[in-house]
Amino acid sequence: NAGVTQTPKFRVLKTGQSMTLLCAQDMNHEYMYWYRQDPGMGLRLIHYSVGEGTTAKGEVPDGYNVSRLKKQNFLLGLESAAPSQTSVYFCASSYSSGRVTGELFFGEGSRLTVL
Amino acid sequence: GQNIDQPTEMTATEGAIVQINCTYQTSGFNGLFWYQQHAGEAPTFLSYNVLDGLEEKGRFSSFLSRSKGYSYLLLKELQMKDSASYLCAVMDSNYQLIWGAGTKLIIKP
Repeated sequence: NAGVTQTPKFRVLKTGQSMTLLCAQDMNHEYMYWYRQDPGMGLRLIHYSVGEGTTAKGEVPDGYNVSRLKKQNFLLGLESAAPSQTSVYFCASSYSSGRVTGELFFGEGSRLTVL
Repeated sequence: GQNIDQPTEMTATEGAIVQINCTYQTSGFNGLFWYQQHAGEAPTFLSYNVLDGLEEKGRFSSFLSRSKGYSYLLLKELQMKDSASYLCAVMDSNYQLIWGAGTKLIIKP
């Protein structure tokens, strides 16, 4: 049982380049999330999705786009990378009802460096 | 604004007990969560509190006081593998999780 899988695990970009992070989950979860984690700060929500075909902005959405064309996949795109986007990115998924929405299952993380 | 406060770092001895505190100010409250995160790894769910009181799960217990905006995670019989960061998160009135910066727990032999 793979759970939540993120690719790639590591990436180095130059300022202005674009890239896409892929998240896949095999638990049939409705909700999926993209977070970034920076030293000394809590996890910050970038975008999230409450079901196939739907997306919504989180706390720090600027500079990112997302798509949820299939229930099991949630893509995070950076159209023009900036050094401020250097971070560790975590994808997570959860069931959709009540308290269990807060029980997130995380991927292993993707470490992105923008030079 | 919404705020979650927890100590940045704590040190404890193997076999001892440690209490990690979390205070919060959020727009509404729909539960408080504790997650464990080993260095370089993903966070994993530890516990959930929505009513006042203590929830016990093996060596780990979590306490909540909603009137004080306060929670703690209690770890007993510490083991070296408990060295990790412990993240406190509160679900607000919009069912969004607000995360603390985490407490790095160092266990010494």
